[in-house]
Amino acid sequence: RKEVEQDPGPFNVPEGATVAFNCTYSNSASQSFFWYRQDCRKEPKLLMSVYSSGNEDGRFTAQLNRASQYISLLIRDSKLSDSATYLCVVKGGSNYKLTFGKGTLLTVNP
Amino acid sequence: EAEVAQSPRYKITEKSQAVAFWCDPISGHATLYWYRQILGQGPELLVQFQDESVVDDSQLPKDRFSAERLKGVDSTLKIQPAELGDSAMYLCASSPGYNEQFFGPGTRLTVL
Repeated sequence: RKEVEQDPGPFNVPEGATVAFNCTYSNSASQSFFWYRQDCRKEPKLLMSVYSSGNEDGRFTAQLNRASQYISLLIRDSKLSDSATYLCVVKGGSNYKLTFGKGTLLTVNP
Repeated sequence: EAEVAQSPRYKITEKSQAVAFWCDPISGHATLYWYRQILGQGPELLVQFQDESVVDDSQLPKDRFSAERLKGVDSTLKIQPAELGDSAMYLCASSPGYNEQFFGPGTRLTVL
């Protein structure tokens, strides 16, 4: 089983749609969780951290279920500018290593 | 806004040649990371430095890859000899300790 697994995608949605990305992780001792965004041919950038209580940042909502080892990202009212690859990231181990999922490509269409 | 600098941005080389990539982290960031990202995959950690010391190089193919951060500031990643399968984006990141990592723009390597 891979350490971090994401929906394979790609996702193609119209503007204004709500889209959800799912991710599972294998190491129950993982300490921190994140969603990164990566535009085509650019570097990854932190979108938001994910907390057990769930957290929201504008149109973005992230959820963590430690019991199920499951992470999600919900994007409401999708914009064209949301088109990117979304990477699920887990931090853990003695060196706080980041482990990335393969990413899920989102294309928002006009 | 401070940024992680990398050079070159693009590198094309023939297999069996040597290549080197350079990274200058954000000033004051003690932790520096090199990642490799193959097309369609997420970044994979190659090596992690804390100041000038290597703290994790378990995924670094040490027969051909080497990395150094001699003065605990900038860093160089070298591949010798390059192989076709090394074609990828090489990303450098830095962080103040073990907090958020900030990525540089990457070096896109093509091995012919």
